Amino acid sequence: GIQVEQSPPDLILQEGANSTLRCNFSDSVNNLQWFHQNPWGQLINLFYIPSGTKQNGRLSATTVATERYSLLYISSSQTTDSGVYFCAVKLDGNSGYALNFGKGTSLLVTP
Amino acid sequence: DVKVTQSSRYLVKRTGEKVFLECVQDMDHENMFWYRQDPGLGLRLIYFSYDVKMKEKGDIPEGYSVSREKKERFSLILESASTNQTSMYLCASRAGGAYEQYFGPGTRLTVT
Repeated sequence: GIQVEQSPPDLILQEGANSTLRCNFSDSVNNLQWFHQNPWGQLINLFYIPSGTKQNGRLSATTVATERYSLLYISSSQTTDSGVYFCAVKLDGNSGYALNFGKGTSLLVTP
Repeated sequence: DVKVTQSSRYLVKRTGEKVFLECVQDMDHENMFWYRQDPGLGLRLIYFSYDVKMKEKGDIPEGYSVSREKKERFSLILESASTNQTSMYLCASRAGGAYEQYFGPGTRLTVT
């Protein structure tokens, strides 16, 4: 089956620090998204990034599709960045409609 | 902005009750999804629908059914709630031909 592995599972940072979250996937994909789940449970779209690099403010993401991984960079972290970060993919050959999610990276940013 | 709403944020039900979770999206999206989220397991797909009255089983459909009578509304039904269905339930929608998927705020269901 589809394997989506995220690392690290947990991360604690001091405010202002930078971090890199990783997502490995087991096959070629045509859809990869990063989500942030805030402490109230809401999942928020960060990036749609099946390949290449995108930036949005302090966050950026890079997907190297040929090597089957994606990275999410958080710079100058803030306490509001706390929550769980999910990577979700849809396999290239999968005719279904839904995304397969990793188990997430739980981030806590302390003041 | 896409808006996906769910009928309740918190719900407490008794074992054996029939439970309805409602999801509404306002962007005319063809595709709608129900996931459950449990600690250490991430999000797992229960059912999805790609059109009115059309549905497909996801990875964990046992104990659940769904209904999509109107394009904007997708309901998840627990025919006879059990304690192992205590979980966070998340609804999502996506436009046909698009890639980005949008989530509702979630319903935290407790079955006692």
